[in-house]
Amino acid sequence: DAKTTQPPSMDCAEGRAANLPCNHSTISGNEYVYWYRQIHSQGPQYIIHGLKNNETNEMASLIITEDRKSSTLILPHATLRDTAVYYCIVRPRNQFYFGTGTSLTVIP
Amino acid sequence: EAEVAQSPRYKITEKSQAVAFWCDPISGHATLYWYRQILGQGPELLVQFQDESVVDDSQLPKDRFSAERLKGVDSTLKIQPAELGDSAMYLCASSLEGREQYFGPGTRLTVT
Repeated sequence: DAKTTQPPSMDCAEGRAANLPCNHSTISGNEYVYWYRQIHSQGPQYIIHGLKNNETNEMASLIITEDRKSSTLILPHATLRDTAVYYCIVRPRNQFYFGTGTSLTVIP
Repeated sequence: EAEVAQSPRYKITEKSQAVAFWCDPISGHATLYWYRQILGQGPELLVQFQDESVVDDSQLPKDRFSAERLKGVDSTLKIQPAELGDSAMYLCASSLEGREQYFGPGTRLTVT
């Protein structure tokens, strides 16, 4: 199973774009990249996922490099409510290894 | 919007006692997961059900933990006897097969 590497913490100014990187250099061809976030004391929340192409939904955009060895989650206009731990997960099926994620703090 | 329900939200129990957690997945979700999350770490999968069958319980400490999903809908996770190291958040999630998981609010267990 491909494992991921994320920075332990990041800060972002409110209203600016938050760009959260994830390295997954051992990803296999059939493995999706998933992003979840967990606000303090709540269950994780699904954000977005992708295989090869860039994806966008109402919450975020996911940019996957052409070689698929890394990806970036983009929150276009970060708000204080986006302060959370963000997990990048790679698995071939719907079974997840969460790791420790990136703790994003949005600063007023 | 449909949600995964869990109860209780908080549980305090003494060491060596039995404790049980309940989960009601989103209607129609055949796949159900139980995770344990220790403070400061990511969730760790304990058991995965497809309908009423266990498909992965490789990380479940079977000497004290048990899980069931008798009718393929709601599920119960039991710990007997509880140990101090079992203090954690217990999360339930559900999904359509092969799709993204939706998590409940979790049960915070404290073993004293």
